[in-house]
Amino acid sequence: DAMVIQNPRYQVTQFGKPVTLSCSQTLNHNVMYWYQQKSSQAPKLLFHYYDKDFNNEADTPDNFQSRRPNTSFCFLDIRSPGLGDAAMYLCATSRSRGGIGKLFFGSGTQLSVL
Amino acid sequence: TQLLEQSPQFLSIQEGENLTVYCNSSSVFSSLQWYRQEPGEGPVLLVTVVTGGEVKKLKRLTFQFGDARKDSSLHITAAQPGDTGLYLCAGARTSGNTPLVFGKGTRLSVIA
Repeated sequence: DAMVIQNPRYQVTQFGKPVTLSCSQTLNHNVMYWYQQKSSQAPKLLFHYYDKDFNNEADTPDNFQSRRPNTSFCFLDIRSPGLGDAAMYLCATSRSRGGIGKLFFGSGTQLSVL
Repeated sequence: TQLLEQSPQFLSIQEGENLTVYCNSSSVFSSLQWYRQEPGEGPVLLVTVVTGGEVKKLKRLTFQFGDARKDSSLHITAAQPGDTGLYLCAGARTSGNTPLVFGKGTRLSVIA
């Protein structure tokens, strides 16, 4: 059974049209992460939540926002998608924030921007 | 700058061959993880190594953490088509609350 669920699997949006990607988890983990992964590149951490504590990476564009209304759900909002934002977006969870903790990833949302 | 360098970037081999992929850094990591990512899916954790010099085996996969905890290798014996995927290493810089740093990965293709 999937433990980290991302919807939709594929999302097509238009240049400049806001889009929201969703992630839910059944693991009751404290930490939720959003990564951006482009072809042949490492997953790039955008931000993470430790419970309700939001942690933004320094180089994450302002165009990217996130919401975590409760433990189970986390959303990624892209306010004005550009062509360069086309990528796979991965949600992950972990029990703790420490590096030794295992990351559980969802299947990702492949975003296309036309 | 890429903190974790993985090599080779691409590898295509025949079924039954052995292979080794590498994850190198000039930085020390408190622990290092290896993930495998199949097309259209999220990465799945294979192993975590914590102690310098540690060797862990997972069936035909052997993982080694360097003595200085700056590098790691993954050796696959008698590769099978099911081993095809993107192999990512990820390191924890400290034992504190810093999120993992990922390498770019090695994309492995095993041809039957």
